[in-house]
Amino acid sequence: NAGVTQTPKFRILKIGQSMTLQCAQDMNHNYMYWYRQDPGMGLKLIYYSVGAGITDKGEVPNGYNVSRSTTEDFPLRLELAAPSQTSVYFCASSDRDRMIGEQYFGPGTRLTVT
Amino acid sequence: DQQVKQNSPSLSVQEGRISILNCDYTNSMFDYFLWYKKYPAEGPTFLISISSIKDKNEDGRFTVFLNKSAKHLSLHIVPSQPGDSAVYFCAAKSGGSNYKLTFGKGTLLTVNP
Repeated sequence: NAGVTQTPKFRILKIGQSMTLQCAQDMNHNYMYWYRQDPGMGLKLIYYSVGAGITDKGEVPNGYNVSRSTTEDFPLRLELAAPSQTSVYFCASSDRDRMIGEQYFGPGTRLTVT
Repeated sequence: DQQVKQNSPSLSVQEGRISILNCDYTNSMFDYFLWYKKYPAEGPTFLISISSIKDKNEDGRFTVFLNKSAKHLSLHIVPSQPGDSAVYFCAAKSGGSNYKLTFGKGTLLTVNP
């Protein structure tokens, strides 16, 4: 099992550009999440999905969009990139039948917007 | 409103000694508490959890204690090893859903040889 994979690992964007961060999991998890982590801060939830075709906003959704057409994939779209979106982005997934709710994280994408 | 707080940004201990990482919470509806470990340039990895109906959970060198009346939990690492040097995140899950964790800001643990 590869677990949760993310591409790219690093990206530099110019202000106003757009891009898609890719995320895939091979654990057949229903739940998937996107977080951002800023220096000295915890993980802030951007969007989450409880199954294919179902997505919902987290704490900090502005400037982002998501889609979930399959169980495996959960891409995050940045439209009109701004310097405030410079961050490390983590995708995660979890099994809906696990009461503990532990999430499995990908390695992250480090994004710089200049 | 920070529902999960880790008030110590960093902690430094000697190899072989005990590391104690602390976490406070405000929401009485949390039913599980989790600790994650994060190395630089990697994603967080799940370490250990505790149910709100327990006061202690042990896994090898790692023990988590929960004090519900004080809304406080702690992670003990004994003995500490240099490979334990990482950022540790406390997280909590609300009862009634099996998703959506609330994370603290993390504590950087440095274990000196």
